[in-house]
Amino acid sequence: EAEVAQSPRYKITEKSQAVAFWCDPISGHATLYWYRQILGQGPELLVQFQDESVVDDSQLPKDRFSAERLKGVDSTLKIQPAELGDSAMYLCASSLGGHTEAFFGQGTRLTVV
Amino acid sequence: QKEVEQDPGPLSVPEGAIVSLNCTYSNSAFQYFMWYRQYSRKGPELLMYTYSSGNKEDGRFTAQVDKSSKYISLFIRDSQPSDSATYLCASYNNNDMRFGAGTRLTVKP
Repeated sequence: EAEVAQSPRYKITEKSQAVAFWCDPISGHATLYWYRQILGQGPELLVQFQDESVVDDSQLPKDRFSAERLKGVDSTLKIQPAELGDSAMYLCASSLGGHTEAFFGQGTRLTVV
Repeated sequence: QKEVEQDPGPLSVPEGAIVSLNCTYSNSAFQYFMWYRQYSRKGPELLMYTYSSGNKEDGRFTAQVDKSSKYISLFIRDSQPSDSATYLCASYNNNDMRFGAGTRLTVKP
């Protein structure tokens, strides 16, 4: 069964360090989303791609976060420098159409110490 | 005020009970209403979605949306221990996607 792949599953980093997460969407899915889910809260959309183009990054803290999807397939989300408040689950999802058809990956659990 | 409000629970029921999970939302522009199930340390899994007001049934699950009161519900009939998870409601329109905080459900055998 096709699934969204994310790596690493877990990451511990010190504050002020750089950290990166990788996502490989389901083959053929043009839309890719990155979400952040703080413990005890629902996911919050950070950025949405359509192929290689950013559709929405209004909630992405651009002073420290960046996201790219250079060839319109896999994607990388980077944080530099990491802050304690960035500790969360980072979820990637992909879709053929809109949010109602999106499949989520298992996420990357980030702990900033 | 959050755009989608959801009681975090936790909610504990015996096996076989009918479970009612609820959310309210504030943005009248929302047109799509979804329910996700999230097991511990996993990503959310879409259970079902509804467009505008009305009911939708899928097996033991029924979703209801009342746009006049901005109220979203998910009912689970004949609940099973395997239904134990966090249930997230979500609403969206025009790429404005908002999740509730999730309700943690435990179904005891």
